Amino acid sequence: DIQLTQSPSSMSASLGDRVSLTCQSSQGIGNYLSWYQHKPGKPPKPMIYYATNLADGVPSRFSGSRSGSDYSLTISSLESEDTAIYYCLQYDEYPYTFGAGTKLELK
Amino acid sequence: EVQLVESGGGLVQPGRSLKLSCAASGFTFSNYYMAWVRQAPKKGLEWVATISTSGSRTYYPDSVKGRFTISRDNAKSTLYLQMNSLRSEDTATYYCTRDPFDYWGQGVMVTVSS
Repeated sequence: DIQLTQSPSSMSASLGDRVSLTCQSSQGIGNYLSWYQHKPGKPPKPMIYYATNLADGVPSRFSGSRSGSDYSLTISSLESEDTAIYYCLQYDEYPYTFGAGTKLELK
Repeated sequence: EVQLVESGGGLVQPGRSLKLSCAASGFTFSNYYMAWVRQAPKKGLEWVATISTSGSRTYYPDSVKGRFTISRDNAKSTLYLQMNSLRSEDTATYYCTRDPFDYWGQGVMVTVSS
């Protein structure tokens, strides 16, 4: 099975900070990686699909990038509403797998 | 507007069965693969099952293979998850999602406990 390793597992940052979350794949998955924002009591919200494409309605301060088997979700200027757990998902091959998540908090 | 509404959750004893439903609207259901994803309490997200547009192909992780069955009724725009031989570790919120996970339902809670 493909393993996705997210780092860091948790972090805190200040309003306005540039924040980058990383997801490393154990095998090649091309661009078949997406990112989700998950807040308590709500369903996961799609943020990025196909590694670099912004999902509908997602603010432009969010972006996705890829370097080899390393994928990143970047927030250019952190806002309070961005506090959540962020998960990556590979959908290149079955079984689909999620990363363990990065908990993002405000400092 | 795409809507996915799950139902059928609840409290069930270990070893028993439960069937979840997901009513879809706002898109042509028969054109999309559909999936179930779950989140156990204080745990991360776990993909549970995927079904092809016609229902002829299904996919599962080892953790539920042989116990869970995903199915669909395209005429009713409804997705199902039949869960048999339930275990305590199946306790989770189950989400219905349109593959590749671009729309999600609100989730339904399943608790497996005696």
